[in-house]
Amino acid sequence: QKEVEQNSGPLSVPEGAIASLNCTYSDRGSQSFFWYRQYSGKSPELIMFIYSNGDKEDGRFTAQLNKASQYVSLLIRDSQPSDSATYLCAVPWGNTPLVFGKGTRLSVIA
Amino acid sequence: SQTIHQWPATLVQPVGSPLSLECTVEGTSNPNLYWYRQAAGRGLQLLFYSVGIGQISSEVPQNLSASRPQDRQFILSSKKLLLSDSGFYLCAWTVDTRNNEQFFGPGTRLTVL
Repeated sequence: QKEVEQNSGPLSVPEGAIASLNCTYSDRGSQSFFWYRQYSGKSPELIMFIYSNGDKEDGRFTAQLNKASQYVSLLIRDSQPSDSATYLCAVPWGNTPLVFGKGTRLSVIA
Repeated sequence: SQTIHQWPATLVQPVGSPLSLECTVEGTSNPNLYWYRQAAGRGLQLLFYSVGIGQISSEVPQNLSASRPQDRQFILSSKKLLLSDSGFYLCAWTVDTRNNEQFFGPGTRLTVL
């Protein structure tokens, strides 16, 4: 069964703090991992992708991948109220191009 | 730059009525195209994807169908809508299938009454 698991939240963090979002997946063969941000009522926007074990940094965002433990995480440093959104993790699965988790709702409190 | 369009933006339809949603992509050639549905409280569900004109793969059996009459056009249809068809319909595209990066259109919010 295709499973990409995320805590639904809401995850509440104060402005300026680090937000940590986690995702686990069941397919050990997955090679690429994606994070999307979705504001309420809008379509998802790709913000990060990672292929290799370790960390990948892009501005305030860091994606962390651990294939042995089958989890991928997204860290948001210096969280801003504008980061409040639902964050979706996505993983290719066999012949399915991407399988999405249900998302974690992040609330950054000013 | 690439742009993806969807219309209509919102739609309210009665149960049993037909449906046609359109997605077009500009600024790229030979994209892979995808239809997703996001229902309330549920994740993004892949409905169909297409790797070329006339080529459609169905992920979930249901009363919906898809067609790709042109390289950059993808259409989602139904002959008779069900209440359970309500949701946010998203079209996405990718060019580089090696890495599966998908980019979404603005979506169509469908309410079936």
